[in-house]
Amino acid sequence: GDSVTQMEGPVTLSEEAFLTINCTYTATGYPSLFWYVQYPGEGLQLLLKATKADDKGSNKGFEATYRKETTSFHLEKGSVQVSDSAVYFCALNSGATNKLIFGTGTLLAVQP
Amino acid sequence: NAGVTQTPKFRILKIGQSMTLQCTQDMNHNYMYWYRQDPGMGLKLIYYSVGAGITDKGEVPNGYNVSRSTTEDFPLRLELAAPSQTSVYFCASSTMDEQFFGPGTRLTVL
Repeated sequence: GDSVTQMEGPVTLSEEAFLTINCTYTATGYPSLFWYVQYPGEGLQLLLKATKADDKGSNKGFEATYRKETTSFHLEKGSVQVSDSAVYFCALNSGATNKLIFGTGTLLAVQP
Repeated sequence: NAGVTQTPKFRILKIGQSMTLQCTQDMNHNYMYWYRQDPGMGLKLIYYSVGAGITDKGEVPNGYNVSRSTTEDFPLRLELAAPSQTSVYFCASSTMDEQFFGPGTRLTVL
């Protein structure tokens, strides 16, 4: 079945460092891909998405490119801030009912 | 526009008790979902609904029941609570492009 694998955390970075969180997927067909962010004590919020191969999703300085050839959707940000500290989830949607399949999440801690 | 609301925020149950987690959305979305989030395990789909009167099982439905009598409401029922149901529960509703999540219910079964 469909699945998402993302890098284990926690990831600890200093402010202004470059961020990469790896995400790969297995799916039949051509799913849409998502990154969700969860701040402490809150629900998940959509960060960015891409719906077809070579699409780049971007938001708040974060970017991810849908790479069909490597089945990847890695999240990047050029300069992280303390306020980016959160758990990041990679996900794909599966089928006509828009069900999401999530990775296990990656905790990012940014230190001043 | 409140989005997706969930009640209660926290709850402690004893083994064998039952309860209903409430979920309401005001965005007129047909699709709604219940997930549970266990530490280090991501989110797992419990049940989902594609419209009023239509529900279906997700990945981990055992021990839970749902109903969808209106577009707005999608309650999750736990019968005979067990320690394995200790988790954070999230309700979501969606368009075809994006899922919107509630703030979650933290449930502990002792």
